[in-house]
Amino acid sequence: QVQLQESGPGLVKPSQTLSLTCTVSGGSISSGSYYWSWIRQPAGKGLEWIGRIYTSGSTNYNPSLKSRVTISVDTSKNQFSLKLSSVTAADTAVYYCARWLQLEVGRDWFDPWGQGTLVTVSS
Amino acid sequence: QSVLTQPPSVSAAPGQKVTISCSGSSSNIGNNYVSWYQQLPGTAPKLLIYDNNKRPSGIPDRFSGSKSGTSATLGITGLQTGDEADYYCGTWDSSLSPVFGGGTKLTVL
Repeated sequence: QVQLQESGPGLVKPSQTLSLTCTVSGGSISSGSYYWSWIRQPAGKGLEWIGRIYTSGSTNYNPSLKSRVTISVDTSKNQFSLKLSSVTAADTAVYYCARWLQLEVGRDWFDPWGQGTLVTVSS
Repeated sequence: QSVLTQPPSVSAAPGQKVTISCSGSSSNIGNNYVSWYQQLPGTAPKLLIYDNNKRPSGIPDRFSGSKSGTSATLGITGLQTGDEADYYCGTWDSSLSPVFGGGTKLTVL
């Protein structure tokens, strides 16, 4: 059974770059036709998709965050990573990594999810 | 402001049935499949329904999903106190991104 685990600093200073890694266990990140995705949730608010990567390295990002986001994958370590630059307090949230199955455009879902990690942007 | 609209909260007594609505448009729900996620307090979201009405292995048949036009509905029967959670709908949007509802907090009275 595939499991995901986020890791990275819990505190980032304004204007700096947020960096998180998601480690996949229980299966190869390269097996199957899955995308690997980042999603965030500010305290008391809903879910916001950040972006995704395929094991080929192909990426797609939320248009509202695209200029600041980079997602990469390291298949040798069974990990994928998120970098979000020029952060502000508005980027404070719980960040989740998740596996995304998209059978066709418009037919997709996220399963499973990592437990999430809180990142606070503050000086 | 979320792309998909859900009621902020719903409540019902144990053993009763509750429905949670998710309203969108032709840019999202109207032309795509809907999934639902359950987020128990302090935990990560968990897939509850996919392909509008399918349940992953291990999800009891007390949970059901449906879609009509630009709206979707999650139904929960035989409510239990352990069902208290936030529930989110999600789908693909023509903006080339997945989108979610704002979430509905279920209280089992």
